[in-house]
Amino acid sequence: GAVVSQHPSRVICKSGTSVKIECRSLDFQATTMFWYRQFPKKSLMLMATSNEGSKATYEQGVEKDKFLINHASLTLSTLTVTSAHPEDSSFYICSARDLRTSDYNEQFFGPGTRLTVL
Amino acid sequence: SQQGEEDPQALSIQEGENATMNCSYKTSINNLQWYRQNSGRGLVHLILIRSNEREKHSGRLRVTLDTSKKSSSLLITASRAADTASYFCATDRNTDKLIFGTGTRLQVFP
Repeated sequence: GAVVSQHPSRVICKSGTSVKIECRSLDFQATTMFWYRQFPKKSLMLMATSNEGSKATYEQGVEKDKFLINHASLTLSTLTVTSAHPEDSSFYICSARDLRTSDYNEQFFGPGTRLTVL
Repeated sequence: SQQGEEDPQALSIQEGENATMNCSYKTSINNLQWYRQNSGRGLVHLILIRSNEREKHSGRLRVTLDTSKKSSSLLITASRAADTASYFCATDRNTDKLIFGTGTRLQVFP
């Protein structure tokens, strides 16, 4: 149980285009989803927290107009990188949590999406 | 930055040896978790230790927590080549947020 999927696993796009990444909880309902960014050989940096049906909360320094997050249902959150530039190239990882059932901050992570902007 | 630090940054050992990784953090915590990440993949949860616990075991893993020193260690005993991965600690306080350490890259040679 507690499987989180991401799609696509890998995407290459041209500079200036927008890219949408999906994060799905497959066998549980995710009241909260988190989006992280990871540079090569570096740690995960939290970008934003999204709660189903409400606006995402962005971390300091993360542009909300650049990284659009939608959490429209209890099983799906999307991250759209708008007008992507080469510096947006990174590994994006989502995680999901069901606040109603977990008694600690138990997050289940997706396999990640490798974004390369040319 | 709130990010925790891990040391060593990289560790190379032979199969059968033990691997010890350390994590230091900056603020008081509720829980500390250890995760494993294979290259280019997502994270796999290994073990959680609560702030009122000092030691925890799970199979070949042993985690200690010293809240007075704001540090934790992860010991992998009798390592295997398949243990090769990056290992991260992550802490949380009274919010949903996980703050990740800088990670240790472990290489286990057969």
